[in-house]
Amino acid sequence: NAGVTQTPKFRVLKTGQSMTLLCAQDMNHEYMYWYRQDPGMGLRLIHYSVGEGTTAKGEVPDGYNVSRLKKQNFLLGLESAAPSQTSVYFCASSSRVLGNTEAFFGQGTRLTVV
Amino acid sequence: ELKVEQNPLFLSMQEGKNYTIYCNYSTTSDRLYWYRQDPGKSLESLFVLLSNGAVKQEGRLMASLDTKARLSTLHITAAVHDLSATYFCAVDRKQGGSEKLVFGKGTKLTVNP
Repeated sequence: NAGVTQTPKFRVLKTGQSMTLLCAQDMNHEYMYWYRQDPGMGLRLIHYSVGEGTTAKGEVPDGYNVSRLKKQNFLLGLESAAPSQTSVYFCASSSRVLGNTEAFFGQGTRLTVV
Repeated sequence: ELKVEQNPLFLSMQEGKNYTIYCNYSTTSDRLYWYRQDPGKSLESLFVLLSNGAVKQEGRLMASLDTKARLSTLHITAAVHDLSATYFCAVDRKQGGSEKLVFGKGTKLTVNP
């Protein structure tokens, strides 16, 4: 049981380059989230999705886009990377079926923009 | 806007001592979560608190929830070095028919021999 898997685990980008982070979950969860974690800031929500084909903005959505074409996958895109987007990115998923919103997290993606 | 505040943000304690981490949140919510994160690792779920008065215990950690006071506590009993980690609380927020999970900034716990 893989749970939540993020790809890639590490990446270095040059300013202005684009990239896509992939999150895949095998728990049939409805909800999926993308967070960024910076020192002293906790986890901040970038975008989230409540189901296939739907997405919504979180606290810090600027500079990012997302898509959820399949229930098990949630993609986070950076169209034109900036040094301020250097961070560790976590994907998470959760279910609402049992009224329990416990979120399960991926291993994280460490992104450096130079 | 839902805000989640933890204190302290840094905690250094000796093995064998007891201490409590506090988590306050600003709007009504019935669900609160505690997570643990080791350096360079992902977040691991510790406790799920789903109703007022809920109390859960696992080993040397005990979590409780008071929804009327909008307060959760994570109590550490007789700390050991293995408990050194960063602890996060998180609260659900319903917005526009959907739900978001909002995190506090975390409490970095260091347990010294």
